[in-house]
Amino acid sequence: DAGVTQSPTHLIKTRGQQVTLRCSPKSGHDTVSWYQQALGQGPQFIFQYYEEEERQRGNFPDRFSGHQFPNYSSELNVNALLLGDSALYLCASSPTGTSSGANVLTFGAGSRLTVL
Amino acid sequence: GDSVTQMEGPVTLSEEAFLTINCTYTATGYPSLFWYVQYPGEGLQLLLKATKADDKGSNKGFEATYRKETTSFHLEKGSVQVSDSAVYFCALGYKLIFGSGTRLLVRP
Repeated sequence: DAGVTQSPTHLIKTRGQQVTLRCSPKSGHDTVSWYQQALGQGPQFIFQYYEEEERQRGNFPDRFSGHQFPNYSSELNVNALLLGDSALYLCASSPTGTSSGANVLTFGAGSRLTVL
Repeated sequence: GDSVTQMEGPVTLSEEAFLTINCTYTATGYPSLFWYVQYPGEGLQLLLKATKADDKGSNKGFEATYRKETTSFHLEKGSVQVSDSAVYFCALGYKLIFGSGTRLLVRP
């Protein structure tokens, strides 16, 4: 049973460009959350998608947007890239019906974005 | 707002040494507390959790007790192995507010 898969694993962009990162949740999971992990820091919550809608959002600007597809996979889009957007972007999935979603979050290995 | 503070690393120990990684938190109410581990090139894995005061979470020889009085959730292991080398994150709440992580290096 595949866990959470993310693509690409590494990518390099320049300032001002746009990037799309992709995530396939674990089988049986329908909720996807995205986190940003800067070098040497803990992950920070960006947003969560369920039923193709953004349900919760962390403290990130509108340049960060997302999408969830009917098959529960998800994309994270970042526009007008800044140097400070360089980070590891983690996707995590969870099933619905849990009283505390964090208990059953499964994380992918991440997509490492470098902005030059 | 809610926050988590972890001791800075790296923590370097010899195999079979005792491990403590300190974690303190600031939060409204009594959120669930977690320890996650991140091995090189792998995703974050839940190591253990505690959902209420005085709960002790344990897994793979690691333990942590939810201390409401001291707002702490320190991670301990009696005898570390080289394979425990990783980055450890303390986290709280439903959205997972993480600390900055503590790198552990265990030497043979």
